[in-house]
Amino acid sequence: NAGVTQTPKFQVLKTGQSMTLQCAQDMNHEYMSWYRQDPGMGLRLIHYSVGAGITDQGEVPNGYNVSRSTTEDFPLRLLSAAPSQTSVYFCASSLRDPMESDEQYFGPGTRLTVT
Amino acid sequence: LAKTTQPISMDSYEGQEVNITCSHNNIATNDYITWYQQFPSQGPRFIIQGYKTKVTNEVASLFIPADRKSSTLSLPRVSLSDTAVYYCLVGDEADKLIFGTGTRLQVFP
Repeated sequence: NAGVTQTPKFQVLKTGQSMTLQCAQDMNHEYMSWYRQDPGMGLRLIHYSVGAGITDQGEVPNGYNVSRSTTEDFPLRLLSAAPSQTSVYFCASSLRDPMESDEQYFGPGTRLTVT
Repeated sequence: LAKTTQPISMDSYEGQEVNITCSHNNIATNDYITWYQQFPSQGPRFIIQGYKTKVTNEVASLFIPADRKSSTLSLPRVSLSDTAVYYCLVGDEADKLIFGTGTRLQVFP
């Protein structure tokens, strides 16, 4: 199993540009999440999905869109990038709800810089 | 949203026991408390999870008091490779996952 994969590893955008961060998992996990981590800070939940076709907002959803058309993939879209979205983005997956006795598996992260 | 607080940093020496406490108010009644370890330029990695009292696995123990307003991660006999940032993760009453602020553990020889 490859686990959780994320592409790209690094990305530089100009303010106003849009892009999609890709996340895929091959563990048949139902639950997937996107987090951002700013320098010296903890992770903050952006959006999550409890299964294909179902998504919900986390703590900091503004400026981001998600969709879950398949169990394997959970892309994160930045509609109009802003410097405040400069961060490291982590995707995670778990078999069940991570708050109900299950661990999350994290991808390697995407480092995004918006100029 | 739940608010979680951890010490910013801790220092230890190899072979010592390290205890890291996370304070969390307004956590969801039925949700578990989870701890993760993160090395530089990597995603967090699961360490241990519990609901109340004490949980132990091969790498750590987790102590949760009856009121569940805090939790303590215990790392027995740390080594240099345990140098990392440690995060608690809780669910709040709005069913949102909230990571703690993180504790940077430095282990010295």
